[in-house]
Amino acid sequence: GAGVSQSPSNKVTEKGKDVELRCDPISGHTALYWYRQSLGQGLEFLIYFQGNSAPDKSGLPSDRFSAERTGGSVSTLTIQRTQQEDSAVYLCASSPVGGGYEQYFGPGTRLTVT
Amino acid sequence: AQSVTQLGSHVSVSEGALVLLRCNYSSSVPPYLFWYVQYPNQGLQLLLKYTTGATLVKGINGFEAEFKKSETSFHLTKPSAHMSDAAEYFCAVSERQAGTALIFGKGTTLSVSS
Repeated sequence: GAGVSQSPSNKVTEKGKDVELRCDPISGHTALYWYRQSLGQGLEFLIYFQGNSAPDKSGLPSDRFSAERTGGSVSTLTIQRTQQEDSAVYLCASSPVGGGYEQYFGPGTRLTVT
Repeated sequence: AQSVTQLGSHVSVSEGALVLLRCNYSSSVPPYLFWYVQYPNQGLQLLLKYTTGATLVKGINGFEAEFKKSETSFHLTKPSAHMSDAAEYFCAVSERQAGTALIFGKGTTLSVSS
């Protein structure tokens, strides 16, 4: 079946602009995660959604970052007033249950802030 | 806090040689353990996982890993390397409770020469 999809695959934006990154998880997966992959920091957890519960936002690096998940499916990660240090690959993953099971990753969105 | 250490950021082997990628975790309570592979400009693909039961787990592409509680290790091996194994490999752990994110090691880049 279809895997996790993310769009766009690449995004170049100017410093100070807002960006939205989209994730479409595997159908039926209730858990959804966002991670960031950068050269300096490796793979970092950003935010976690499980069903209709309040998200775990403990990994968000600043209040410029936010995410929502509509209808328990598609998720959007929004970065406001982008900074050059936001340049990274943003990976989305979904899982059939919330924790203790493997996560299936999308191809990522490469964000470049100029 | 839980941490994952991958010894060796870069490992080089010849085609047909043994592959050994090392991973140690820090928790006194054994977590769930995973190995992921990432090919250039792609997302993460699950190679194998350990949650419970047999400590030697087999994954895709001929890889296997052994969970050793006494050594807090989960090293990845493959008896005979193939050129197509060249990629970056990540060890990851998650706590044994719902809604926990993956914590990744820094990754090991595997190069395979002919």
